[in-house]
Amino acid sequence: KAGVTQTPRYLIKTRGQQVTLSCSPISGHRSVSWYQQTPGQGLQFLFEYFSETQRNKGNFPGRFSGRQFSNSRSEMNVSTLELGDSALYLCASSLSGLAGGGLTDTQYFGPGTRLTVL
Amino acid sequence: AQSVAQPEDQVNVAEGNPLTVKCTYSVSGNPYLFWYVQYPNRGLQFLLKYITGDNLVKGSYGFEAEFNKSQTSFHLKKPSALVSDSALYFCAVTTLPGSSNTGKLIFGQGTTLQVKP
Repeated sequence: KAGVTQTPRYLIKTRGQQVTLSCSPISGHRSVSWYQQTPGQGLQFLFEYFSETQRNKGNFPGRFSGRQFSNSRSEMNVSTLELGDSALYLCASSLSGLAGGGLTDTQYFGPGTRLTVL
Repeated sequence: AQSVAQPEDQVNVAEGNPLTVKCTYSVSGNPYLFWYVQYPNRGLQFLLKYITGDNLVKGSYGFEAEFNKSQTSFHLKKPSALVSDSALYFCAVTTLPGSSNTGKLIFGQGTTLQVKP
């Protein structure tokens, strides 16, 4: 079974631009979560989508948004990029998600997209 | 606020020796605990989780972890370390639906494990 895939793997943007990252979950998984990883802040939860609906959201500004499609693929968008947005963005998929009563669910992570903002 | 602490930035151990990576947590309600490992330029790989039941959880690659409710700890252990175990290890927690942190993993800052030959 194929794992979680994320595209692109590396991205370089300049301040003020916007960026879209893509995540394809494991087949059959309906929950997709996004995390930001930085050396200073560590791993922080961005949001979770389940059945095309945002079910949970972390403490990030509105510049960070996402969506999920009917095939469970998800995209994350960051507008008006700032230098501090440079990070590894990780996507994780699970069958029903931790909030869906699936506490026995395991989140499987993709390899991440390395975003560099210049 | 709910949190996870990994008190050691780095753990050094000789190959063949036992290893322990420490994790303590603070949550309201019952915790659901996870360990992940991250190799350079890779995403996180799931090692093991504690949901309920036996306090000793066995996971992938010979790792195990012991849930201790009184000490609010969930330390990761392996009886005999391998050089290939060298990586960044993360402890994470989530809680039952209805809490403000449900549906997301709260991660510790990570511990770098260095296994020397």
